[in-house]
Amino acid sequence: GAGVSQSPSNKVTEKGKDVELRCDPISGHTALYWYRQSLGQGLEFLIYFQGNSAPDKSGLPSDRFSAERTGGSVSTLTIQRTQQEDSAVYLCASSYARDIYEQYFGPGTRLTVT
Amino acid sequence: GDSVTQMEGPVTLSEEAFLTINCTYTATGYPSLFWYVQYPGEGLQLLLKATKADDKGSNKGFEATYRKETTSFHLEKGSVQVSDSAVYFCALSRMDTGRRALTFGSGTRLQVQP
Repeated sequence: GAGVSQSPSNKVTEKGKDVELRCDPISGHTALYWYRQSLGQGLEFLIYFQGNSAPDKSGLPSDRFSAERTGGSVSTLTIQRTQQEDSAVYLCASSYARDIYEQYFGPGTRLTVT
Repeated sequence: GDSVTQMEGPVTLSEEAFLTINCTYTATGYPSLFWYVQYPGEGLQLLLKATKADDKGSNKGFEATYRKETTSFHLEKGSVQVSDSAVYFCALSRMDTGRRALTFGSGTRLQVQP
């Protein structure tokens, strides 16, 4: 079946602009996670959704970052007023609620802020 | 807070050599432990997992044993192949506290030469 998909695959934006990154989880997966992978910080957790609610937002680095999930499916991560330090690969993962051990990752969105 | 430490890479081996990638963790309670692999140009994939002390996870010839007394989860393979060249990430999650986000190590790049 289809895996986790993310769009766009690459995004180049100017400092100060807002960006939206999209994640389409595996059908039937109620849990959804956002991470980012950068050279300096490695792989970091950002936010976790169970259905449409986000019980764990502890990894969001600042109030410029927000995320929402609608219909228990697609999620959008929004970064406002982007900064150069936001450049990273943003990864989305999903899992079944009952199978709490395996997270399936998408290919990521590479964000470059110039 | 929780953390994962992996040996730095790259690790360069000849085909059929024995592989060990060290991983140690810091966490209170009873974390679940994982190895994820990222092949060139692909997304993160779960390689193996262990959810309690003394459990051995295994997949594709790779093994790792959850050692609570040494807080370790070293990855081993008896005979590596060129196709095993990838970046390997050790990770933990705190299912015991309900925190499902993965905490990753910095990753270890493995290069296998023919």
